[in-house]
Amino acid sequence: EMQLVESGGGLVQPGGSLRLSCAASGFTFSTYWMSWVRQSPGKGLECVANIKKDGSEKYYVDSVKGRFTISRDNAKDSLFLQMNSLTAEDTAVYYCARGPDFGDRIDFLEYWGQGILVTVSS
Amino acid sequence: DIVLTQSPLSLPVTPGEPASISCRSSQSLLDTNGHNYLDWYLQKPGQSPQLLIKYVSYRASGVPDRFSGSGAGTDFTLKISRVEAEDVGVYYCMQARQIPPTFGQGTKVEIK
Repeated sequence: EMQLVESGGGLVQPGGSLRLSCAASGFTFSTYWMSWVRQSPGKGLECVANIKKDGSEKYYVDSVKGRFTISRDNAKDSLFLQMNSLTAEDTAVYYCARGPDFGDRIDFLEYWGQGILVTVSS
Repeated sequence: DIVLTQSPLSLPVTPGEPASISCRSSQSLLDTNGHNYLDWYLQKPGQSPQLLIKYVSYRASGVPDRFSGSGAGTDFTLKISRVEAEDVGVYYCMQARQIPPTFGQGTKVEIK
């Protein structure tokens, strides 16, 4: 059974850092694009970071550029999101999501984790 | 970035009746390869989003055939032929023409 399980969320002060992890199982992780998508309380969806299957290409939404870093460890079937200089606007549920196993873009997000809450507050 | 505008934002529906959601893009989602990169997702209450339709009209695995997608360029539509109680939730369109992908603001479907 395919699974994506996020961890590492919690409460952090403004200006602080947090590292999210996503453990993948049930599929060949190294052959898929992966993404982090967030959803602020009561708000819609925002795809904040994307990474190609081999980690050679990474893309970010403007609001997190220079602060967030997406990475992956294909040997450990894991996806990461390092978040620095956090502000209240980063408060959200963060989802790990699987893209396609082909192509040069995120054509779709086929499977999603259950999400992890990140709260930025003093 | 490409902006997607959904309408309506709220859609009360009667079980057994059809429903339709529109998604308009600020730029064409037609790529030079001839494909339109527009997907639809449903987020049921308390759940993660799930992929319903990819590439405008291709249903994801396990999605009932009462769901259909159409459109091209900048105008797209999701239709539910006969709404069932389990279809309630928030529907989002997402463009994959440019990275990063962007989502519409969502359409909340609820039973009347």
